[in-house]
Amino acid sequence: GQQLNQSPQSMFIQEGEDVSMNCTSSSIFNTWLWYKQDPGEGPVLLIALYKAGELTSNGRLTAQFGITRKDSFLNISASIPSDVGIYFCAGQLLDSNYQLIWGAGTKLIIKP
Amino acid sequence: DSGVTQTPKHLITATGQRVTLRCSPRSGDLSVYWYQQSLDQGLQFLIQYYNGEERAKGNILERFSAQQFPDLHSELNLSSLELGDSALYFCASSAINTEAFFGQGTRLTVV
Repeated sequence: GQQLNQSPQSMFIQEGEDVSMNCTSSSIFNTWLWYKQDPGEGPVLLIALYKAGELTSNGRLTAQFGITRKDSFLNISASIPSDVGIYFCAGQLLDSNYQLIWGAGTKLIIKP
Repeated sequence: DSGVTQTPKHLITATGQRVTLRCSPRSGDLSVYWYQQSLDQGLQFLIQYYNGEERAKGNILERFSAQQFPDLHSELNLSSLELGDSALYFCASSAINTEAFFGQGTRLTVV
């Protein structure tokens, strides 16, 4: 089936550091979504991207829809403790039945 | 609050039993998705319904089935439960070609 490659799998960061993660695929997507999941909770939508090249910010978060429509990245600037969690990317394939394809997640951990 | 409601929040049952998980989508959303998430794992797509019809199927076991009713709420039925079925089960809903919003999940424990 279709796959999204999300990297890194996990990140150990110091508070205040910038963070970057990305998702790539061999398929073309018409929508990219970034979610954050806290333990035991449902994923919460952070940013939605609908156009190739689109760069969208939500506070300290910035995400971009790749020009080739096959990738997306999420940056978090000046990380804080509440940024800890699992970040998922999801893409909606061109001409799909609105099905979302999911990355495996990036686990963000703050170093003590 | 995403607007997606899942019940029950927690469920403990024995192996071999059958359970039904319920999802009410956001008002106006026609698509409902079901996902399974085992401990420290990613989201495994099970099945999607759109306006009452099955649209896409993921890695859903034959022991599992789902349906979407005319009022757009959905139920996921899990039967002949095994220990390995213990997981968080999420429902998400979306309007046409837009982002999906998730419920809080049902934590199923099979003992």
